[in-house]
Amino acid sequence: ILNVEQSPQSLHVQEGDSTNFTCSFPSSNFYALHWYRWETAKSPEALFVMTLNGDEKKKGRISATLNTKEGYSYLYIKGSQPEDSATYLCAFLSRDDKIIFGKGTRLHILP
Amino acid sequence: SAVISQKPSRDICQRGTSLTIQCQVDSQVTMMFWYRQQPGQSLTLIATANQGSEATYESGFVIDKFPISRPNLTFSTLTVSNLSPEDSSIYLCSAGRGQLQETQYFGPGTRLLVL
Repeated sequence: ILNVEQSPQSLHVQEGDSTNFTCSFPSSNFYALHWYRWETAKSPEALFVMTLNGDEKKKGRISATLNTKEGYSYLYIKGSQPEDSATYLCAFLSRDDKIIFGKGTRLHILP
Repeated sequence: SAVISQKPSRDICQRGTSLTIQCQVDSQVTMMFWYRQQPGQSLTLIATANQGSEATYESGFVIDKFPISRPNLTFSTLTVSNLSPEDSSIYLCSAGRGQLQETQYFGPGTRLLVL
């Protein structure tokens, strides 16, 4: 059974601090890893599509790394702002067209 | 990118009834998908909505319970039939210009509570 784990489940961070969280996924049959941000009452928004081992992607203050050999990806947020409060989802995509989401990391930015 | 709207945004239904959710995309897309997120669980793919042919269902999901239509490249519906409290979930549609592995654009979701 394919399993994608995200940790921590929930995180409180002071505004201005940096933070990171993890997505663990199967290291076999890997095709891609997606990161999404899902704010309450809004649509999940795509952040990154990562495909190559060692990939590093950046979008403003948010960046992500990928290690397909050991099956993990980190998402980093630098200088957290209130608008970063959301649930961050990762999704593992396999070569045989399966998509498995993690349960997400719920990030709360404290003023 | 693509902008996706869903109707209704939320509903409360009695057990044994059905709910049809509509998904509209602002441009033609190749792929449309339907997901469910039960309380405390991950987003789970229900099916791929194929234009002009029957949907492709994931393991554990069947057409009788989740009939799907996709009459054109911008619109799809998901019906959740014979509702039970276990069907209380958020249902999301998504769209993509390529295969499942490509970036997906999501709707805002439909929150369903079954009493």
